[in-house]
Amino acid sequence: DIVMTQSPDSLAVSLGERATINCKSSRSVLYSSNNRNYLAWYQQKPGQPPRLLINWASTRASGVPDRFSGSGSGTDFTLTISSLQAEDLAVYYCQQYYSSPTTFGQGTKVEI
Amino acid sequence: QLQLQESGPGLVKPSETLSLTCTVSGDSFSSNNYYWGWIRQPPGKGLEWIGSISYSGSTFYNPSLKSRVLTSVDTSKNQISLKLSSVTAADTAVYYCARQDSFCSGGNCYLRWFDPWGQGTLVTVSS
Repeated sequence: DIVMTQSPDSLAVSLGERATINCKSSRSVLYSSNNRNYLAWYQQKPGQPPRLLINWASTRASGVPDRFSGSGSGTDFTLTISSLQAEDLAVYYCQQYYSSPTTFGQGTKVEI
Repeated sequence: QLQLQESGPGLVKPSETLSLTCTVSGDSFSSNNYYWGWIRQPPGKGLEWIGSISYSGSTFYNPSLKSRVLTSVDTSKNQISLKLSSVTAADTAVYYCARQDSFCSGGNCYLRWFDPWGQGTLVTVSS
């Protein structure tokens, strides 16, 4: 199985500041034939199910604010919240879908 | 708008079988572009994929749970079901169902991200 490791485990950020979350995979999730990274990001607010934010490592899902951006390739990925809002308090997860079983990172808690 | 709703007993005894149903409302249930997945989250912990099933009944399972998992689909009711046998306290979790994007070609299907998710249901394994 591909192991997904996120850092840090938790992050305290002031409102309006930038938040950066890292995700590292134990093997590359870049599919060379289409040059796509098989990685997604989710946001989970307290008491709610996860919500898809980003797929293909950098494509925002429908309705996701543009302050959320994803970057990276191969084994190292980053989710950036450019200007943290109060409603961004949540746990963020990365997921690889390059190979089965699909696996998730352990989560990063963003605190205000 | 697509909605998913999990249902089933909130308490299961050790060694018994956990049974859950996910009812899908809205379109896309019969689409060949999607699978329907089960994911669980132990209290205060991360996410674990259990398995996924297509409208036609094709399945994928996490090898770590495969020997204990069975999923099925009821197309007449727009429902998918999960059975997890021989449960222990380690199976206590919030169980989610979710639509899973997929791509099928040449007889092979490749599963992708989950969107949207149901609200989840907490299942506690205890005597």
